[in-house]
Amino acid sequence: EDQVTQSPEALRLQEGESSSLNCSYTVSGLRGLFWYRQDPGKGPEFLFTLYSAGEEKEKERLKATLTKKESFLHITAPKPEDSATYLCAVFAGTASKLTFGTGTRLQVTL
Amino acid sequence: DAGITQSPRHKVTETGTPVTLRCHQTENHRYMYWYRQDPGHGLRLIHYSYGVKDTDKGEVSDGYSVSRSKTEDFLLTLESATSSQTSVYFCAIKEASGDVEQYFGPGTRLTVT
Repeated sequence: EDQVTQSPEALRLQEGESSSLNCSYTVSGLRGLFWYRQDPGKGPEFLFTLYSAGEEKEKERLKATLTKKESFLHITAPKPEDSATYLCAVFAGTASKLTFGTGTRLQVTL
Repeated sequence: DAGITQSPRHKVTETGTPVTLRCHQTENHRYMYWYRQDPGHGLRLIHYSYGVKDTDKGEVSDGYSVSRSKTEDFLLTLESATSSQTSVYFCAIKEASGDVEQYFGPGTRLTVT
């Protein structure tokens, strides 16, 4: 059974204080790993897809990386508007579903 | 914006009553999904559709049924709502069969009392 574990559950940063969120996974036949951002009361917003170990993607202050066992979402010099819950999900094998982690709730303060 | 709307956005209903949630998309995507989101569980797939009248079960399908009579609409029905079905329900679409990314709607918050 595919499993996705995210850590930490919650993270509080000061503006400008860089950090990383972790997503570790156990799957058979990874076809894609996804990062989403979710604001309170809204649906998940797609950020990145990573397909193979060594791949990196960047968007503004966010950079996602992938190894054979985990993915990191690096946040450089965060701003308060980066506050959200960040979700990781995997798409594996022949299944049609995404398997999600429970998310990391990020709060960035002034 | 993937052109997905969900209705209603909020609903409170009593145990034992039937409830139907609607997902509507404007761009003729073939694949549509229903997920529920609960604290401590993450998003879990209920049912999905890969075309008109073509649907299949996800990992938490008990107590739910779906229908898709038109490309643009995917309906989720709780035949007899229970308190364990109190949740936030999200619809998602996948743009093409070769794609893997799914895009989500705004959600429906359902409370069963």
